[in-house]
Amino acid sequence: SQKIEQNSEALNIQEGKTATLTCNYTNYSPAYLQWYRQDPGRGPVFLLLIRENEKEKRKERLKVTFDTTLKQSLFHITASQPADSATYLCALEDTGFQKLVFGTGTRLLVSP
Amino acid sequence: GAVVSQHPSRVICKSGTSVKIECRSLDFQATTMFWYRQFPKQSLMLMATSNEGSKATYEQGVEKDKFLINHASLTLSTLTVTSAHPEDSSFYICSAAKVGTNQPQHFGDGTRLSIL
Repeated sequence: SQKIEQNSEALNIQEGKTATLTCNYTNYSPAYLQWYRQDPGRGPVFLLLIRENEKEKRKERLKVTFDTTLKQSLFHITASQPADSATYLCALEDTGFQKLVFGTGTRLLVSP
Repeated sequence: GAVVSQHPSRVICKSGTSVKIECRSLDFQATTMFWYRQFPKQSLMLMATSNEGSKATYEQGVEKDKFLINHASLTLSTLTVTSAHPEDSSFYICSAAKVGTNQPQHFGDGTRLSIL
């Protein structure tokens, strides 16, 4: 069956450290994968998109990797700040143009 | 970045009421809008895909007569939950996309629906 898995347990880290979140998928062949941030009671906010032919993508303190052999994407936040505390969702394209399937998200807590 | 406005942000109403939720793309023409539902501590689940000027495409298990979708213009889509019941209580989120641009979806801030 098709699955997108993210760590369901919250990730607690100290300010200044690098946070690494994992997204694994099964029985999908996505052309691209996206990462979103969601704060409580709010809609997701787009962060980064990485295509199947890209190994790595960076945006300021964010870095995403995409390994289509391992069927895994890693999302890194360097020099983390308390304001980075949120739930981070990965999403990939299912059959049909721009139809996204989301993982359950990982909650990140950055302590001062 | 692109802005998608969703209204209302919160609705509390009695069982049997029909509730309409609006989703507007404020600064671009959205050829496609998506409606999602999110239960507590769960992921977003796509309910339906709405294309301007045509009927919505519903995901398996979503009742089209229960969740009426209208996408009358390139900037507005509405979701009407008809005869809502407590099990319809959820967080409903819309997103808008411009098909053919390879741009990501832009999400509204969601509507918290509580049916008493």
